[in-house]
Amino acid sequence: GAGVSQSPRYKVAKRGQDVALRCDPISGHVSLFWYQQALGQGPEFLTYFQNEAQLDKSGLPSDRFFAERPEGSVSTLKIQRTQQEDSAVYLCASSLGGGSYEQYFGPGTRLTVT
Amino acid sequence: GENVEQHPSTLSVQEGDSAVIKCTYSDSASNYFPWYKQELGKGPQLIIDIRSNVGEKKDQRIAVTLNKTAKHFSLHITETQPEDSAVYFCAASSNRDDKIIFGKGTRLHILP
Repeated sequence: GAGVSQSPRYKVAKRGQDVALRCDPISGHVSLFWYQQALGQGPEFLTYFQNEAQLDKSGLPSDRFFAERPEGSVSTLKIQRTQQEDSAVYLCASSLGGGSYEQYFGPGTRLTVT
Repeated sequence: GENVEQHPSTLSVQEGDSAVIKCTYSDSASNYFPWYKQELGKGPQLIIDIRSNVGEKKDQRIAVTLNKTAKHFSLHITETQPEDSAVYFCAASSNRDDKIIFGKGTRLHILP
């Protein structure tokens, strides 16, 4: 079946621009996670949704980062006034929820801020 | 919070030999330990996982072991093949918040 999809796959933004990254989770998956992966590092947790509720946003690095999942399916990660340090791969993962721990990742969006 | 340490950062093994990657975790509440394989330009792919009520799990050429007392867990790949070349991440999670904490990764090279 279809896995997690993300768009765009690549995004180049000028410093100060706003960007929006989209995640389509696996159909029926209740939980959705966003991670940030810097070059040569492991993914780092940003935020987590259960259906439309954002249950944990402790990993968001600043108030320039905002995520939403208004209908409990597709999610958007928005970064305002992008900075060079925001350059990374942004990964989305989804999980069945309800005690099922397995998280399945999308291909990621590589963001480059120039 | 949880901290996951992973060793080695780079590992080269001859094709057909075994590879072992080791990880430690700090939070005794962690009860789920997935392993991910990441190829260039792709997202992490779940290859095997283990829960804290089990000491060992095997799936074909891949096995994981968990020592809860020592807070150690390991990935073992036997009869390595060229397609095993990738970056491997260990990780830990608890049902307290479901987020996964990753190690820094091991770049595995399979030499012909």
